[in-house]
Amino acid sequence: DIRMTQSPSSLSASVGARVTITCRASQRISTYLNWYQQKPGKAPELLIYAASSLQSGVPSRFSGSGSGTDFTLTISSLQPEDFATYYCQQTYSVPITFGPGTKVDIK
Amino acid sequence: QVHLVESGGGVVQPGRSLRLSCEASGFTFSTYAMHWVRQAPGKGLESVAVMSNDGSNKYYGDSVKGRFTISRDNSKNTLYLQMNSLRGEDTAMYYCARAGSSGFDYWGQGALVTVSS
Repeated sequence: DIRMTQSPSSLSASVGARVTITCRASQRISTYLNWYQQKPGKAPELLIYAASSLQSGVPSRFSGSGSGTDFTLTISSLQPEDFATYYCQQTYSVPITFGPGTKVDIK
Repeated sequence: QVHLVESGGGVVQPGRSLRLSCEASGFTFSTYAMHWVRQAPGKGLESVAVMSNDGSNKYYGDSVKGRFTISRDNSKNTLYLQMNSLRGEDTAMYYCARAGSSGFDYWGQGALVTVSS
């Protein structure tokens, strides 16, 4: 199985801050990497697919990059509605696996 | 618009069974692979099972293999998860999700399963 790790596990940031979350795969996965946002009590929502493509309806302050084993999710200017937990996911091979999540809260 | 609605969750004793359903609408259900993903309280996301669009292929996570069965009825636009021999560690919110061209592009609201005596 491909193991996904994320760093940091949590972070505190102010509104307007630039935030970067890192995801690493235990083996090369090309760009089969997706990012999700989950708010408390809600289902996850797809933000970024194929490492860098913005899902329809997602604000342009979200961006993704990377290939192979190392990936990043960047929020260029954090907004109040962005406080949530973010998960990466690999769809390179089954079983599809998720990272452990990064919780972003208000500083 | 796309909607996925799970049902069938509840409280069940260890060793018993439960069947979840996920009713889909707003898209051509028979052309998409579908997933079940679960999330234990306060924990992360875990892929449980996936079924191809026509039901010919399925895959299970190691933690549920041999106990859970995924199925679908394309005539009813419904995905199922039959859960047998339930354990305490199966307690979780269970989501169905549509496999888009890349990533899970639509999710249901979830069905809570609590395994407790």
